[in-house]
Amino acid sequence: NAGVTQTPKFRILKIGQSMTLQCTQDMNHNYMYWYRQDPGMGLKLIYYSVGAGITDKGEVPNGYNVSRSTTEDFPLRLELAAPSQTSVYFCASSSYYEQYFGPGTRLTVT
Amino acid sequence: ELKVEQNPLFLSMQEGKNYTIYCNYSTTSDRLYWYRQDPGKSLESLFVLLSNGAVKQEGRLMASLDTKARLSTLHITAAVHDLSATYFCAAVLPQGGSEKLVFGKGTKLTVNP
Repeated sequence: NAGVTQTPKFRILKIGQSMTLQCTQDMNHNYMYWYRQDPGMGLKLIYYSVGAGITDKGEVPNGYNVSRSTTEDFPLRLELAAPSQTSVYFCASSSYYEQYFGPGTRLTVT
Repeated sequence: ELKVEQNPLFLSMQEGKNYTIYCNYSTTSDRLYWYRQDPGKSLESLFVLLSNGAVKQEGRLMASLDTKARLSTLHITAAVHDLSATYFCAAVLPQGGSEKLVFGKGTKLTVNP
């Protein structure tokens, strides 16, 4: 099993550009999450999903959108990128009290 | 609103010494997690504490949970350089059936020879 995979690993965006961060898990977990981690800080929840077709906002959802059409995939969309969205983004999935994190995507907006 | 506070935020210690990292949370939470993060890496799960009085140990690390005090501790015994990393605690936001975690800011541990 690959676990949770994320693409790309690194990306530089210009202000106002858009992009999609991809996340896939092969553990058949219903719960999936997107977090962001700013330098020297803990993770903050952006969006989460409890199953295909069901998503909800977390603590810091502004500037992001998500969709969940399958159990495996949970892409995060950034529209009109801003410098404040420079961060490391982690995707996770969970089952039975355990969260499994992907390797992260390091995004810089300039 | 659930808030999670860790202290200290920075910890420099000598090999062979013992120390404790504290994690306080502001409202009732079902369970408490501890993670380790190495620079530039993802989070590695260390412990999941499910009930009051829970104690778990792995190697030189031991975690405990006191739900009445809303306090978890991560105790380091006889520290070695390989334990240098950032350690995060996280509590579950108490919304029925939710798995949403609220993280502390992390404790950056440096173990010196």
